[in-house]
Amino acid sequence: GAVVSQHPSWVICKSGTSVKIECRSLDFQATTMFWYRQFPKQSLMLMATSNEGSKATYEQGVEKDKFLINHASLTLSTLTVTSAHPEDSSFYICSAGFRVFGGNTIYFGEGSWLTVV
Amino acid sequence: QKEVEQNSGPLSVPEGAIASLNCTYSDRVSQSFFWYRQYSGKSPELIMSIYSNGDKEDGRFTAQLNKASQYVSLLIRDSQPSDSATYLCAVENMDSNYQLIWGAGTKLIIKP
Repeated sequence: GAVVSQHPSWVICKSGTSVKIECRSLDFQATTMFWYRQFPKQSLMLMATSNEGSKATYEQGVEKDKFLINHASLTLSTLTVTSAHPEDSSFYICSAGFRVFGGNTIYFGEGSWLTVV
Repeated sequence: QKEVEQNSGPLSVPEGAIASLNCTYSDRVSQSFFWYRQYSGKSPELIMSIYSNGDKEDGRFTAQLNKASQYVSLLIRDSQPSDSATYLCAVENMDSNYQLIWGAGTKLIIKP
């Protein structure tokens, strides 16, 4: 079964509105989660690191005021795309990991398709 | 700069044959290594993780790790058309727990 869950899987919003995407770790606590964006036929692009109880760390070129990240609990991180525009339409994916014997293991959520019209 | 390198392919393999995917990484202190499979329009799915030198088998998949050579590979036995996907090699960033350094991905095509 899923280890990391995302919601919604699909969302359509009007230009200028905001949309929130949730990422939940199931059955484990995640002090750190990661948000990625992927355009069709392109590579995964790391957007930001979500840190429980503190501010997110954004990658260079990612607008922190546009992509708001809140990691309010050990099992939930949210990504809010504010004042969305058609160019924000993309596939957004989160990841989280936990310790296993020998090292860390890292799973991805199912992803969220955002279409801004 | 830490890097992970993969041949982008496409790699075409006949159905039933062994598909061999390779990856090299630059950070000698890396500890955790992963192979993900990504179908078009879907998120990456963890296929194998490996942490120590040698082979690790799970069903039709075998991951191989050689830390001295900084080399990770994935073998897929009895390849099926459903194995056609992009395979992503990733190495955990030792400076940031659970953050991955990605290869570009190898597109694998299994021909019936």
